[in-house]
Amino acid sequence: DVKVTQSSRYLVKRTGEKVFLECVQDMDHENMFWYRQDPGLGLRLIYFSYDVKMKEKGDIPEGYSVSREKKERFSLILESASTNQTSMYLCASSGVLWENSPLHFGNGTRLTVT
Amino acid sequence: KQEVTQIPAALSVPEGENLVLNCSFTDSAIYNLQWFRQDPGKGLTSLLLIQSSQREQTSGRLNASLDKSSGRSTLYIAASQPGDSATYLCVENAGNMLTFGGGTRLMVKP
Repeated sequence: DVKVTQSSRYLVKRTGEKVFLECVQDMDHENMFWYRQDPGLGLRLIYFSYDVKMKEKGDIPEGYSVSREKKERFSLILESASTNQTSMYLCASSGVLWENSPLHFGNGTRLTVT
Repeated sequence: KQEVTQIPAALSVPEGENLVLNCSFTDSAIYNLQWFRQDPGKGLTSLLLIQSSQREQTSGRLNASLDKSSGRSTLYIAASQPGDSATYLCVENAGNMLTFGGGTRLMVKP
């Protein structure tokens, strides 16, 4: 079974802090994604990566950066956390999309910025 | 821009009822469509993936169908149970892009 592991289920951080959200997958997947999920807004793509050291902006990249130094690990970084970044953050991974590889999600990280 | 729509947004049914959740998409160049379940405060759990060359996929009480020509997928849940209560999302894979529907929140009442 594919496993996508997010390092924290719950995080509470203060405004202005630098925050790291970590995600690890164990299936040698090329693609990794970071989404945030807010009530009424659905899932919104922040960043994705299709290979090591490669990254692409999603729909809402402002205030975020990412790092993919190893294939299995994709980190989301909030450079200076703000209250409007309080949200559920979901990491996902997949193989090559045009080869019908399914998408797999982690359990999510509920981040609260106070 | 691709759009994926799920109707209804919320659904409440008595236990034992058979039900259908709908997912409509605008991109005819679809590679596959995947259905997920999400429990409150949790991540998304994959239920079924149906490829563009397939018409349906089954897993237990779940059956997903895909009609590319009409841009529709349905998720059929047979003999619903209270444990089926969750939000169900579909996601369209267009080969270079994933597009999520807004979800259907299902409540199955005992």
